[in-house]
Amino acid sequence: GAVVSQHPSWVICKSGTSVKIECRSLDFQATTMFWYRQFPKQSLMLMATSNEGSKATYEQGVEKDKFLINHASLTLSTLTVTSAHPEDSSFYICSASREGTQIGYTFGSGTRLTVV
Amino acid sequence: GEDVEQSLFLSVREGDSSVINCTYTDSSSTYLYWYKQEPGAGLQLLTYIFSNMDMKQDQRLTVLLNKKDKHLSLRIADTQTGDSAIYFCAEGEAGGFKTIFGAGTRLFVKA
Repeated sequence: GAVVSQHPSWVICKSGTSVKIECRSLDFQATTMFWYRQFPKQSLMLMATSNEGSKATYEQGVEKDKFLINHASLTLSTLTVTSAHPEDSSFYICSASREGTQIGYTFGSGTRLTVV
Repeated sequence: GEDVEQSLFLSVREGDSSVINCTYTDSSSTYLYWYKQEPGAGLQLLTYIFSNMDMKQDQRLTVLLNKKDKHLSLRIADTQTGDSAIYFCAEGEAGGFKTIFGAGTRLFVKA
């Protein structure tokens, strides 16, 4: 149990375009989903926390107008990178927290975004 | 601020034991976690230890927690080439809230 599916696994886009990444909890309801960004050889950087039906809470330094997060249902959260630039190229990972007393996160497999 | 530190690299021979160390700063954390990340993949929760425990063993994995020194270690017995990955130490609360990750230790296993 506790599977999180993230799609797409990788994407290449042109500068100035927008890219949407989906994060789905397949067999449980995720009241909270987290979006992380990972730079090479570095740890996860929490970008934002999203709760179903409410606005996401962004970490300091993360542009909410650039990284749009929507958590429309208990099983789906999306991250849209708007007007992407090469510096947005990174590995983006989502995770989900199960309602209740789940210990630890369940992570998606990540999305490698390359902006050319 | 809260911080989790771990060494960046560890190289061992196949069949040997691996010990990955981690130090953390937030003494109020409820859980200490070890996650494994294989290339191009997300993180997989390997094991965790509750903050009032000293040790936890799970098959080839042994977690030791020294709460006084805020030191956490992960020992992998009989390390295999399939154990090659990045191992992240993390501290946090139940449900994943307020979780702080270390930078990860890259484990190389030589055949």
